[in-house]
Amino acid sequence: DSGVTQTPKHLITATGQRVTLRCSPRSGDLSVYWYQQSLDQGLQFLIQYYNGEERAKGNILERFSAQQFPDLHSELNLSSLELGDSALYFCASGGGGAHYEQYFGPGTRLTVT
Amino acid sequence: DQQVKQNSPSLSVQEGRISILNCDYTNSMFDYFLWYKKYPAEGPTFLISISSIKDKNEDGRFTVFLNKSAKHLSLHIVPSQPGDSAVYFCAASATEGDDKIIFGKGTRLHILP
Repeated sequence: DSGVTQTPKHLITATGQRVTLRCSPRSGDLSVYWYQQSLDQGLQFLIQYYNGEERAKGNILERFSAQQFPDLHSELNLSSLELGDSALYFCASGGGGAHYEQYFGPGTRLTVT
Repeated sequence: DQQVKQNSPSLSVQEGRISILNCDYTNSMFDYFLWYKKYPAEGPTFLISISSIKDKNEDGRFTVFLNKSAKHLSLHIVPSQPGDSAVYFCAASATEGDDKIIFGKGTRLHILP
């Protein structure tokens, strides 16, 4: 158990809809990272928050947004969903900094039909 | 543009023998490298890392070798055990800039009885 929790575990929704994925980091970790893993793809970095502030941005679509709240939990919002957004979405937490290991949650599997 | 490449999608190794997983990178700014292991239906877990000031790091059965001139690293597992069957991700980060960790697409390791 990494100490990182993600909800929900599975999500099935229709194209055009909006969903929110939630992540609670390990106790004491200030950074939260979001990744997308599509079929046959590696882990694509989406965005990082550190202590409530956006710190790094990857290949995140404009239809996607995220935030980190004062209690350090984070939410990833995906809107105007398309079939291609079907993927595993992982949240990870860490101390921040490029040389810190990240601890991953179990992921949310999103299926867009 | 894939900055971290794992060219072998899968690898099969006899139990007890050595498993060697390879990874190449293109960005010369990368100075910290990590290996993660992932079982089905779980998030990736950190395995071992190496800083660019070293060329080898060992932790039990796991050793990572770094060849900076060739921009190549490898993970050796000796001896291979059934529980090592998983997907292994190579990842890299740079101290200069943001905290992004760039992951490869992964190599699926099968340990044969």
